[in-house]
Amino acid sequence: DVQMTQSPSYLAASPGESVSISCKASKSISNNLAWYQEKPGKANKLLIHSGSTLQSGTPSRFSGSGSGTDFTLTIRSLESEDFAVYYCQQYNESTWTFGGGTKLELK
Amino acid sequence: EVQLVESGGGLVQPGRSMKLSCAASGFTFSNYGMAWVRQAPTKGLEWVATISYDGSSTYYRDSVKGRFTISRDNAKSTLYLQMNSLRSEDTATYYCTRGDYYDGTHYYAGVMDAWGQGASVTVSS
Repeated sequence: DVQMTQSPSYLAASPGESVSISCKASKSISNNLAWYQEKPGKANKLLIHSGSTLQSGTPSRFSGSGSGTDFTLTIRSLESEDFAVYYCQQYNESTWTFGGGTKLELK
Repeated sequence: EVQLVESGGGLVQPGRSMKLSCAASGFTFSNYGMAWVRQAPTKGLEWVATISYDGSSTYYRDSVKGRFTISRDNAKSTLYLQMNSLRSEDTATYYCTRGDYYDGTHYYAGVMDAWGQGASVTVSS
């Protein structure tokens, strides 16, 4: 199975700042990577798929990059609604795996 | 509007069984692969099982193989997860997800673009 290592686990930032979250796969997954946002009381939200393709409705301040084993989610000019938990997920194989999650907190 | 509504969760003793259901609406259920994802208390997301659009293919994480069965009834637009021989480590919120994303041109198997609100399963004596 492909292992996904996400870092950091916790990230504190202020509105207006930019942050990046890393996701590393234990072997190449091409660009078969998605990013999700988790917020209390809301259904999990798909942000990005195929490594860098923004899902409809995802604000343009979100961007994804990478292929193979190394991927990054970047959020520019943080807004208050962005403070949440973020997960990467590989779907290159028939058994899917998530990263451990990154909690983005207000500094 | 796409909606996924889970039901059937609750408290169950170790070794017993429980069946979760997920009622889907707002899309043509029979065109999409579906999946279950769980989240143990204070933990991250964990993929559990996937079923193809027609039910012909199923996949499971190792820790639930032989104990859990994913199935679907396309006539009822409903997804199921039969959980047998439950263990304390199966305690989690179980989410029903649409496991394929269609952008109008391509299907992306494994991209979960719709999630339910979850059903809580507690395995305890």
